[in-house]
Amino acid sequence: EDQVTQSPEALRLQEGESSSLNCSYTVSGLRGLFWYRQDPGKGPEFLFTLYSAGEEKEKERLKATLTKKESFLHITAPKPEDSATYLCAVQGVGGGSNYKLTFGKGTLLTVNP
Amino acid sequence: KAGVTQTPRYLIKTRGQQVTLSCSPISGHRSVSWYQQTPGQGLQFLFEYFSETQRNKGNFPGRFSGRQFSNSRSEMNVSTLELGDSALYLCASKGQAAYEQYFGPGTRLTVT
Repeated sequence: EDQVTQSPEALRLQEGESSSLNCSYTVSGLRGLFWYRQDPGKGPEFLFTLYSAGEEKEKERLKATLTKKESFLHITAPKPEDSATYLCAVQGVGGGSNYKLTFGKGTLLTVNP
Repeated sequence: KAGVTQTPRYLIKTRGQQVTLSCSPISGHRSVSWYQQTPGQGLQFLFEYFSETQRNKGNFPGRFSGRQFSNSRSEMNVSTLELGDSALYLCASKGQAAYEQYFGPGTRLTVT
């Protein structure tokens, strides 16, 4: 069964203080690893898809990286508007993993001005 | 392009009742998935439909069911509601050329 663990559960940063969020995963075969951002009372907003170890994707102050066992979401010089819950999900290959995302519990990021 | 839409946005029901939630995918998307989000369990997969066929189902009791119509719109139904069914129900759609799913705003269901 696919599993995703995110750490830390909550992270509080000062504006401009860079940091990283961790996502550890277990799948029999990885079809894709996904990062989402979720604001209170809203649906998750898609950020990145990573397919293979060594891959990196960037968007504004966010950079996602992938190894064979984990992914990191690096936040550079964050702003208060980056405050949200960041969710990591995987889709495995075959059987019960098809067409299904398995999510971690998320990291609640708060950026103080 | 319009995003995923879900109706209603909020719903209050009583234990034992049933409820039907609706989802319209992004235009051109034929895959629709449903997820339940609670504070304790996070986001959990319910089922996925493509061309009116259920292709995968999560570990939920048979009270949870769904269907998809020929225009790709989808509905999910929960019968004999229990207090534990209170949650945010999210619908997501996916195009054929990629694996990422795009989520709607959700339906907040409260069971009293």
